[in-house]
Amino acid sequence: ETGVTQSPTHLIKTRGQQVTLRCSSQSGHNTVSWYQQALGQGPQFIFQYYREEENGRGNFPPRFSGLQFPNYSSELNVNALELDDSALYLCASKPQDGYNYGYTFGSGTRLTVV
Amino acid sequence: AQKITQTQPGMFVQEKEAVTLDCTYDTSDPSYGLFWYKQPSSGEMIFLIYQGSYDQQNATEGRYSLNFQKARKSANLVISASQLGDSAMYFCAMREGLQNYGQNFVFGPGTRLSVLP
Repeated sequence: ETGVTQSPTHLIKTRGQQVTLRCSSQSGHNTVSWYQQALGQGPQFIFQYYREEENGRGNFPPRFSGLQFPNYSSELNVNALELDDSALYLCASKPQDGYNYGYTFGSGTRLTVV
Repeated sequence: AQKITQTQPGMFVQEKEAVTLDCTYDTSDPSYGLFWYKQPSSGEMIFLIYQGSYDQQNATEGRYSLNFQKARKSANLVISASQLGDSAMYFCAMREGLQNYGQNFVFGPGTRLSVLP
């Protein structure tokens, strides 16, 4: 059983719309990262939050934004959706004192943009 | 430039046999960690094994072992006694630096392993 829950599991949106994906981490997991995994590819790093502040970002445009909340939940927001945004979105979290490999991944949200 | 290369898009192995999944990496940072993850069709990334760049011995976790050849920048995953449940996508990943601040995983393109009965 994973300690990271993502919702919704599947989502279909229209090009140009906005979407919010949610991630609920285990208590004490104050580091959360988001990844985009296009079909047939490995995950690509979007950004990371630590104690509610962004502390790392990959090569994604500003229309990808996030929030992290004190209750160990987080959001990924994508504005002005494009067809290429269709992908599996994964969040991963770990506790502050967790080892380098201590990340737990969720099962992802599969977003389809039509 | 690709930081993680997995040259085998797909692999087949007979049940109960061993299989090696290849991974090469590229980094100029002397401190890094190498990881293998399993991704079944459900989508969840399941951590299998970790190797730190300063670790002297190859990592092992049950049926999984990592063949770490630092000079060749190679970190192959060996699965012994394959089981039908091992059928999945397998990703090699790297984190540069041993500090956690802002450091992210870089994943390879993955290898799809199919275990045959």
